[in-house]
Amino acid sequence: EVQLVESGGGLVQPGGSLRLSCAASGFTVSSIRMSWVRQAPGKGLEWVSFLYSDDRTFYADSVKGRFIISRDDSKNTLYLQMNTLRAEDTALYHCARDLTTGRNLFHYWGQGTLVTVSS
Amino acid sequence: EIVMTQSPATLSVSPGERATLSCRATQSLNSYLAWYQQKPGQAPRLLIYDTSTRATGIPARFSGSGSGTEFTLTISSLQSEDFAVYYCQQYNGWPLTFGGGTKVEVK
Repeated sequence: EVQLVESGGGLVQPGGSLRLSCAASGFTVSSIRMSWVRQAPGKGLEWVSFLYSDDRTFYADSVKGRFIISRDDSKNTLYLQMNTLRAEDTALYHCARDLTTGRNLFHYWGQGTLVTVSS
Repeated sequence: EIVMTQSPATLSVSPGERATLSCRATQSLNSYLAWYQQKPGQAPRLLIYDTSTRATGIPARFSGSGSGTEFTLTISSLQSEDFAVYYCQQYNGWPLTFGGGTKVEVK
């Protein structure tokens, strides 16, 4: 059974950093495209970043240069390093797994971890 | 950036009735359009991809159609568990973008 469990969220001041983790089970993160999608409180969905199995990375313009997506194959875990955080980064961050065929979709989702950027 | 616009923002439907949700893109998507369902307090669920292909385990009452820039999600006979927010997503180009969502509520 595919499972994704996020952690690492919390309250951080503007300009601060946070690293989110997404522990995967039921499949190997290195073999399937993985992503982060966020949802600000009461708002819609916003794609953040994608990591391909060949290590190519893609980012939304709103986070490019500040966020870094990566994975640790030995821990079967996806990460999102978030730097220079802004109030507008406040959101529930979900990790998601693509279809096995690699389509840039969000097939399996975690429940999310909440990031609050505030002084 | 491809901008996705969903309409209506809220759709009031009685159980058993048909619901039709629309999604429009600012440029052609080559059928690379997906639909997601999100219930309160839950993560979204992939319903439809490639405009009309149902994801694994999705009931046949959900169907997708469209082409170019205009797409539709139809729920043929609304069940109680279908009242939720629905999002479309394009994956024809970067950045990947979602529509603002349509809330399907009980009439």
